[in-house]
Amino acid sequence: RKEVEQDPGPFNVPEGATVAFNCTYSNSASQSFFWYRQDCRKEPKLLMSVYSSGNEDGRFTAQLNRASQYISLLIRDSKLSDSATYLCVVKGNAGKSTFGDGTTLTVKP
Amino acid sequence: GAGVSQSPSNKVTEKGKDVELRCDPISGHTALYWYRQSLGQGLEFLIYFQGNSAPDKSGLPSDRFSAERTGGSVSTLTIQRTQQEDSAVYLCASSSSRVEAFFGQGTRLTVV
Repeated sequence: RKEVEQDPGPFNVPEGATVAFNCTYSNSASQSFFWYRQDCRKEPKLLMSVYSSGNEDGRFTAQLNRASQYISLLIRDSKLSDSATYLCVVKGNAGKSTFGDGTTLTVKP
Repeated sequence: GAGVSQSPSNKVTEKGKDVELRCDPISGHTALYWYRQSLGQGLEFLIYFQGNSAPDKSGLPSDRFSAERTGGSVSTLTIQRTQQEDSAVYLCASSSSRVEAFFGQGTRLTVV
């Protein structure tokens, strides 16, 4: 079993749709959680951190469920520019970050 | 510099040759990662350096791959006797205990 697992998708949604991605992790001692975004042929970039109480940044909402060991990312009112691959990242107590394989989102007009 | 710097940005090499890829992390970042990414695929972990600790080499695919990090800063990934399946983008990232990982723009390696 992989340390961090994501549904690879692809998710194809129309503009304006709400879409949610989930990610599960195996190490219960994991300390920090993040979502990264990777555009085609570009390097991954931090989208947002995920806090225990859940957090929101504009149209993006991230949530953490430690008991079930999963994190989620919700995108509301999808834009064409949201099309990318979204990577779930889990940082362990030894400081090492582990990346999921990513979920691909395509937003269509 | 302000970000993670990788060189070269592109490298074309003949099968069987050795290559060296360089990564300059963000100053002060104690952790450094190397990943490999083939077209349309996810990140493949290669190696992780954390401060003065022994590196986590669990992701290196074969003994043709090695990496070192000198003085806790610059890192070099070496691939010996390159094969066509080594063709990919090699990404370096650095982080600290307080900061998430930042990536360089990668080195696109093509073995012909």
